[in-house]
Amino acid sequence: GENVEQHPSTLSVQEGDSAVIKCTYSDSASNYFPWYKQELGKGPQLIIDIRSNVGEKKDQRIAVTLNKTAKHFSLHITETQPEDSAVYFCAASKVDYGQNFVFGPGTRLSVLP
Amino acid sequence: EAGVAQSPRYKIIEKRQSVAFWCNPISGHATLYWYQQILGQGPKLLIQFQNNGVVDDSQLPKDRFSAERLKGVDSTLKIQPAKLEDSAVYLCASSSLGVSSYNEQFFGPGTRLTVL
Repeated sequence: GENVEQHPSTLSVQEGDSAVIKCTYSDSASNYFPWYKQELGKGPQLIIDIRSNVGEKKDQRIAVTLNKTAKHFSLHITETQPEDSAVYFCAASKVDYGQNFVFGPGTRLSVLP
Repeated sequence: EAGVAQSPRYKIIEKRQSVAFWCNPISGHATLYWYQQILGQGPKLLIQFQNNGVVDDSQLPKDRFSAERLKGVDSTLKIQPAKLEDSAVYLCASSSLGVSSYNEQFFGPGTRLTVL
């Protein structure tokens, strides 16, 4: 079955700096890759996603890149702000077989003021 | 639009007791998911419903876990009997379209279960 790895497990950056989180997946048939942000005591919330027919997607300060050949994808947050502090999860899914997400173990991002 | 509702938010029980969690998805969402999130890990899918039918329950420990969605709306997840390793946050999520589509899963706040 699918296996998703995520690095780093913790990340501290200064406010205004950029943050990058990387994920790798094992199943080449996976074709949908969402990123979720989870704040303390809350459920995960989708922040950006990418499909396998796209190499990059951007939404304001957040961008995701996908390398299908290498089977890895990354989340990039620019101009980080204290409210970006949270746990971030990547996931992989084979949409044609049902949206069963396999999540990575998460990255705890701390943005220091 | 109201989000996914879950109750209770917290539950503490002793091992071998039973417990039930309730989820009310976003109105009109056909697909409902239950996830288990152990501290420090990503959510793991337990069961997926499409309306009131089970799409995937391959990772549900069926000897002790059960779930139902009788009218295709709200759902309950039950554990009987509970074990120490069941301590986790149980997340419910819902999505609007069928299984073969790209669509966002909306998560509820979760129920934090502690088994003593």
